[in-house]
Amino acid sequence: SYVLTQPPSVAVAPGEAANVSCEGSNIGKRSVNWYQQKPGQAPVVIIYYDSHRPSGIPERISGSKSGDTATLTISRVEGGDEAAYYCLVWHSSDHYVFGPGTTVTVL
Amino acid sequence: QVQLVQSGAELKKPGSSVKVSCKVSGDNFKSIYSINWVRQAPGQGLEWMGGVVPMSGKSDYAQAFKGRLSIAADESTNTAYMELSSLRSEDTAVYYCARDSGFGGDYYMGVWGKGTTVTVSS
Repeated sequence: SYVLTQPPSVAVAPGEAANVSCEGSNIGKRSVNWYQQKPGQAPVVIIYYDSHRPSGIPERISGSKSGDTATLTISRVEGGDEAAYYCLVWHSSDHYVFGPGTTVTVL
Repeated sequence: QVQLVQSGAELKKPGSSVKVSCKVSGDNFKSIYSINWVRQAPGQGLEWMGGVVPMSGKSDYAQAFKGRLSIAADESTNTAYMELSSLRSEDTAVYYCARDSGFGGDYYMGVWGKGTTVTVSS
């Protein structure tokens, strides 16, 4: 089965940038989507198709890919960015596969 | 604007079944977009369980749930259903429905319901 790897946690000071990675075999050939989930709430898509932002998502949130790693970048981090972040890809045999999630903590 | 409204919380005994509904409004229900079910155990990550394409009625399931999961769509009520049988304590989780978005055969789960808490306890 297809596996995605994310760091369990990332800690960042306010105003700095947070980078959350998502590694998977041949991820460069797949579209990567990112979700933000705050406690007690449903996930919300913040990046789709690697780097596209849905309407209402601020420009300081961006997505990129290089080799077997996709990266979510949150620039100028604010307290409201504290959340769990999940990557999601479609795989032919496993259908949808989520990464294990990364908790972003604002110091 | 597409909205997904899920049924309320459930408390079930081990060995029983649970059926959760997801009513879709604001868009053509009978579309090519799948309605998916994703669950999240307490303190854990997100897990795709399966989905149904309302247009065709075809369902797909994650291997971990084959044999005890049934997902269906009722176009007369614009509602998708997820039924999980032979419940055990490990099935205690929040269950979300989520509709696909995207195009060209490349989809992602773009719209989510608020979730339904299912507790399995004797």
